[in-house]
Amino acid sequence: EADIYQTPRYLVIGTGKKITLECSQTMGHDKMYWYQQDPGMELHLIHYSYGVNSTEKGDLSSESTVSRIRTEHFPLTLESARPSHTSQYLCASSEFRPTDTQYFGPGTRLTVL
Amino acid sequence: SQQGEEDPQALSIQEGENATMNCSYKTSINNLQWYRQNSGRGLVHLILIRSNEREKHSGRLRVTLDTSKKSSSLLITASRAADTASYFCATDAGSARQLTFGSGTQLTVLP
Repeated sequence: EADIYQTPRYLVIGTGKKITLECSQTMGHDKMYWYQQDPGMELHLIHYSYGVNSTEKGDLSSESTVSRIRTEHFPLTLESARPSHTSQYLCASSEFRPTDTQYFGPGTRLTVL
Repeated sequence: SQQGEEDPQALSIQEGENATMNCSYKTSINNLQWYRQNSGRGLVHLILIRSNEREKHSGRLRVTLDTSKKSSSLLITASRAADTASYFCATDAGSARQLTFGSGTQLTVLP
């Protein structure tokens, strides 16, 4: 198992609520990523970071935002959750290049009612 | 559409049989990786094959890469019930800065 953690594992919340999904890694990796994955479907990159104070949007447009104040921490925030945000969110990190081996957390399954 | 597409979408076999999954992609790549995902979990890296390699082995896994056909295959030999999972290929497409994942093959190994 990789040393990358996500909390909460499951979250059911009402429309309009603000939520933050936490991701932490203890491997000292500079590169971190957030993916969105619907059941049985491919992963879509929504945010990534090359290091502290670096954040970029991924291929899939997302209403979420991220921050990278510390190397080990890469939280994702939704200011106002909607049912269309219901999905699984996976956090990952890599040591050198983004195209090197990526290590994934267990994921957060979000349901917005 | 995504860079990598797996085939078949789903595969069901008996324990002890071999499982073969295929991945096709569209553009030139630097490397191709295979990942495994158990239900409700994150992905776990299995194996990486570089564009100048044709075959690679790791335990019961065998990966081939045919850059002329833009395709790769993952073979799991002597499958076990614990191999039941989704398997994804991911490509590093040249100047692209990120990995692109395919849609996955759902493998079920029946005991």
